[in-house]
Amino acid sequence: GENVEQHPSTLSVQEGDSAVIKCTYSDSASNYFPWYKQELGKRPQLIIDIRSNVGEKKDQRIAVTLNKTAKHFSLHITETQPEDSAVYFCAVRRGANNLFFGTGTRLTVIP
Amino acid sequence: DGGITQSPKYLFRKEGQNVTLSCEQNLNHDAMYWYRQDPGQGLRLIYYSQIVNDFQKGDIAEGYSVSREKKESFPLTVTSAQKNPTAFYICASSKRDGELGPQHFGDGTRLSIL
Repeated sequence: GENVEQHPSTLSVQEGDSAVIKCTYSDSASNYFPWYKQELGKRPQLIIDIRSNVGEKKDQRIAVTLNKTAKHFSLHITETQPEDSAVYFCAVRRGANNLFFGTGTRLTVIP
Repeated sequence: DGGITQSPKYLFRKEGQNVTLSCEQNLNHDAMYWYRQDPGQGLRLIYYSQIVNDFQKGDIAEGYSVSREKKESFPLTVTSAQKNPTAFYICASSKRDGELGPQHFGDGTRLSIL
């Protein structure tokens, strides 16, 4: 199966600063890369995703970049706000619908 | 994601007892999934189903069973053979294989052992 590594496991930033979370994967045929945000006790919510034919995607303060050659992709959050505090998970999929998840990053935005 | 309903929100199991977690979706999705989430870990796939009356084991299927008699429903049974069942269980659904798209998640069920 796919091997997904996510770093860092915890991240603290000052409000207004940027946060970057990185995931690496092992299967070069993987073609779909979503990011999920999970607040305490709640369901994971899709915040952004990217397909393998695109190198970068932005949605307001959130962006994802994909480097297929190096097999890694990153989540970028700019101008962080306290409500961005949550656990973020990356995931990877190849072909069939099964997702392989990273172990999560707990982001804390300090007011 | 109001289209996926999990019940109950909290569940307690006695030793040696089987319990069943409910997952219903009205998104007309063909594929459904069960994940287990432990503290500090990502979601691990227990079972998944791409179509009615068919399902496959995920990475940690031992001690669990599922059924998919209806498109809308994918119940998970945690059997007495699962020796460490305390976890947060999340159900998900998505469009059928071949249609790239996100998985939609339910609110989860937290299972604890009495």
